[in-house]
Amino acid sequence: QVQLQQWGAGLLKPSETLSLTCAVYGGSFSDYYWSWIRQPPGKGLEWIGEINYSGSTHYNPSLKSRVTISVDTSKNQLSLKLSSVTAADTAVYYCARGPSDSGGNSYDDAFALWGQGTMVTVSS
Amino acid sequence: DIQMTQSPSSLSASVGDRVTITCRASPSISSYLNWYQQKPGKAPKLLIYAASSLQSGVPSRFSGSGSGTDFSLTISSLQPEDFATYYCQQSYSTPITFGQGTRLEIK
Repeated sequence: QVQLQQWGAGLLKPSETLSLTCAVYGGSFSDYYWSWIRQPPGKGLEWIGEINYSGSTHYNPSLKSRVTISVDTSKNQLSLKLSSVTAADTAVYYCARGPSDSGGNSYDDAFALWGQGTMVTVSS
Repeated sequence: DIQMTQSPSSLSASVGDRVTITCRASPSISSYLNWYQQKPGKAPKLLIYAASSLQSGVPSRFSGSGSGTDFSLTISSLQPEDFATYYCQQSYSTPITFGQGTRLEIK
């Protein structure tokens, strides 16, 4: 059974860099893209970006200048860094599996598996 | 970016009711449309993928339909555990985008 477990600092000051890690246990790490998604309090879901086993990335243009997603294939982990945070970056951050690396329109191409979420608060 | 617009943004209904939530994509996304349910403090849960395929373990009272630009999620007979927020999401192209959500409340 595949599980995603994430961790990272929950309280940041403005201008600092957010750093989160997500570990994937079980299943195939190499067959998928792995995404980061965030949700501000009381608001909807925003896709931040994705990375695959080879390190190929796609980012949301709205955050691209501040985001870096990386992968450590030896540990089956992905990481998120978001620089120069402001209060607008306060949100629950999730890692999620998907879409599949082969492309398509199946269960594997939706976000079927999610991490538990990490609440990140930006406050001076 | 592909815009996803859900309606209504909130909905009040009673146990046993049939409810439908709609999602419009601009431009067309073929059938690359997924639906999620989210309860407070929890990660979203996949209900429907590829517009109309029921995720394993999801009750059959949930169904999805549509293609191109217009999609819908129907709950045939609301149960107490169905009161939650629902999101559509397109997987046609990056950036991946979600609808703004529909909050389903008890009447």
